[in-house]
Amino acid sequence: KNEVEQSPQNLTAQEGEFITINCSYSVGISALHWLQQHPGGGIVSLFMLSSGKKKHGRLIATINIQEKHSSLHITASHPRDSAVYICAVYPSGTASKLTFGTGTRLQVTL
Amino acid sequence: KAGVTQTPRYLIKTRGQQVTLSCSPISGHRSVSWYQQTPGQGLQFLFEYFSETQRNKGNFPGRFSGRQFSNSRSEMNVSTLELGDSALYLCASSFNSNEQFFGPGTRLTVL
Repeated sequence: KNEVEQSPQNLTAQEGEFITINCSYSVGISALHWLQQHPGGGIVSLFMLSSGKKKHGRLIATINIQEKHSSLHITASHPRDSAVYICAVYPSGTASKLTFGTGTRLQVTL
Repeated sequence: KAGVTQTPRYLIKTRGQQVTLSCSPISGHRSVSWYQQTPGQGLQFLFEYFSETQRNKGNFPGRFSGRQFSNSRSEMNVSTLELGDSALYLCASSFNSNEQFFGPGTRLTVL
């Protein structure tokens, strides 16, 4: 069983829809990353959080440390949001050793 | 501020050869981490260098090695290439192992 599980694996939405991607992890962590990967491979860090909630534009990330769960929300989705979204954690005591989920492939259609 | 750069972007090698990939971090960042991404295994941590010292290592064979120079630029080397080493190799830099900034990756194909 992976230490980091994401759901759903694939997601298709229509433009304007509210989207939620979930991440559950089984180890103690010091922080969690949400990453975005477009076709071609480049990865962009969307958020790094260790508690509470962060917001950037139409993106919101929340984390519940006690429940070992994080969510990434996209409000008013747009076709340019189509990408793979990856949850990654820093297990406690490993400082820089990111452990990745398998990703959620999102496609937003017109 | 310039982002993380990786060279080369694409590389084709044959089995048994060795390869060296380069990563230049964002100016001022002292930590460089390397990752391998394959369709089967996803993203996996290779190693991290901080101030020229390897600080963390993933579960990869000794054929995978790296180093970091005094200007924080880093190289990774894979010796005796195998078909399964075909992958996207990503590096990421951070100021102090906090938020990581990824480079565009080097796509390695082993024939």
